[in-house]
Amino acid sequence: EAAVTQSPRNKVTVTGGNVTLSCRQTNSHNYMYWYRQDTGHGLRLIHYSYGAGNLQIGDVPDGYKATRTTQEDFFLLLELASPSQTSLYFCASSGQVNQDTQYFGPGTRLLVL
Amino acid sequence: GDSVTQTEGLVTLTEGLPVMLNCTYQTIYSNPFLFWYVHYLNESPRLLLKSSTDNKRTEHQGFHATLHKSSSSFHLQKSSAQLSDSALYYCALSEGFASALTFGSGTKVIVLP
Repeated sequence: EAAVTQSPRNKVTVTGGNVTLSCRQTNSHNYMYWYRQDTGHGLRLIHYSYGAGNLQIGDVPDGYKATRTTQEDFFLLLELASPSQTSLYFCASSGQVNQDTQYFGPGTRLLVL
Repeated sequence: GDSVTQTEGLVTLTEGLPVMLNCTYQTIYSNPFLFWYVHYLNESPRLLLKSSTDNKRTEHQGFHATLHKSSSSFHLQKSSAQLSDSALYYCALSEGFASALTFGSGTKVIVLP
């Protein structure tokens, strides 16, 4: 079973704060993804990457930056957090993009006050 | 762009009854891949099943779905719901190589005794 870990699991910050969410996968997967999950909207793709140094823009990228430092590590950065970014964030990884299973991490719950 | 529509936001049913969750999609790609992911409370989303060829049924854990390109649908069905099926279900679409998944808004299923 593929392993994806996320940290922190819970985070509270204030409006305008700086937040970094971390994700690590140990499955030698090429692709990694950041999603946010909101009631009524489901899972929405923020950014994804197909290797170290690569970044692809997802469907809801505004207000988010991301960086893939190694094959294992993918970070999501909120430099000026806003209450609209309060959400449950999931990281996922897969071997290839289209047919392969995506394996999700446990999620990070972020509250922006 | 691609889109996935799940018409039911919430489905409540009694244990033992059949369940069907609707999923339709829009894409210009002629050979899309469709997926159902399930998200149990306090767990990570995980793959339930994925599409095969057109009009071929795929099954897993008592659930089944058939990709119908003629109607752009990939409905999820189970003949007899169990209490443990209570979860959030996502339909997702991949249009092909080098594209990420597009998720629907999700259907929450509550199975009552």
